[in-house]
Amino acid sequence: EAQVTQNPRYLITVTGKKLTVTCSQNMNHEYMSWYRQDPGLGLRQIYYSMNVEVTDKGDVPEGYKVSRKEKRNFPLILESPSPNQTSLYFCASSPLGGIVGYNSPLHFGNGTRLTVT
Amino acid sequence: GQQVMQIPQYQHVQEGEDFTTYCNSSTTLSNIQWYKQRPGGHPVFLIQLVKSGEVKKQKRLTFQFGEAKKNSSLHITATQTTDVGTYFCAGNSGYALNFGKGTSLLVTP
Repeated sequence: EAQVTQNPRYLITVTGKKLTVTCSQNMNHEYMSWYRQDPGLGLRQIYYSMNVEVTDKGDVPEGYKVSRKEKRNFPLILESPSPNQTSLYFCASSPLGGIVGYNSPLHFGNGTRLTVT
Repeated sequence: GQQVMQIPQYQHVQEGEDFTTYCNSSTTLSNIQWYKQRPGGHPVFLIQLVKSGEVKKQKRLTFQFGEAKKNSSLHITATQTTDVGTYFCAGNSGYALNFGKGTSLLVTP
């Protein structure tokens, strides 16, 4: 089944303890992206990747890191989480992206609800 | 990044009533996409509009893209309880897809 898989679904951690949220897609998509969703703020892009070894900042990249060493995986790393990073996180992928004026539909993972105390 | 404004933020209707959400951009969009997120779920792609003045229908849902490609709307005729969720528009005028804040629809039986 074609899908975007995120792990874990729920995570509670403490301030300053490094964590990684994994994201994997089995559709051979070039484009992958991370979003955070907060009440009243909608979906805000954190980082995106147009292909292997190519990553770029979205609208809210502070406090996050990503890597794209393989086409299928796009982990989100919080080196020193803080309470303001408590949020619902979504990974998404699409066949094409990074082409000016064009985006193919995004396929979203099921989300990771992160709580930082 | 580019701003995509979406209104209203919330809408509560009785089952059978119509519903419309609007999306506006200050810049011309190359295309616009619409997504639906059920409560507790993830956004799911509904449709993409590309041409100026384009209108597309999916059963009771009608999507429009403005002539100037700066606005779009989603209209649901005769809402059902299965329509409950948050509807997002996402506009593109460069490399990135920018999401509106969404309209949360509640349908009372």
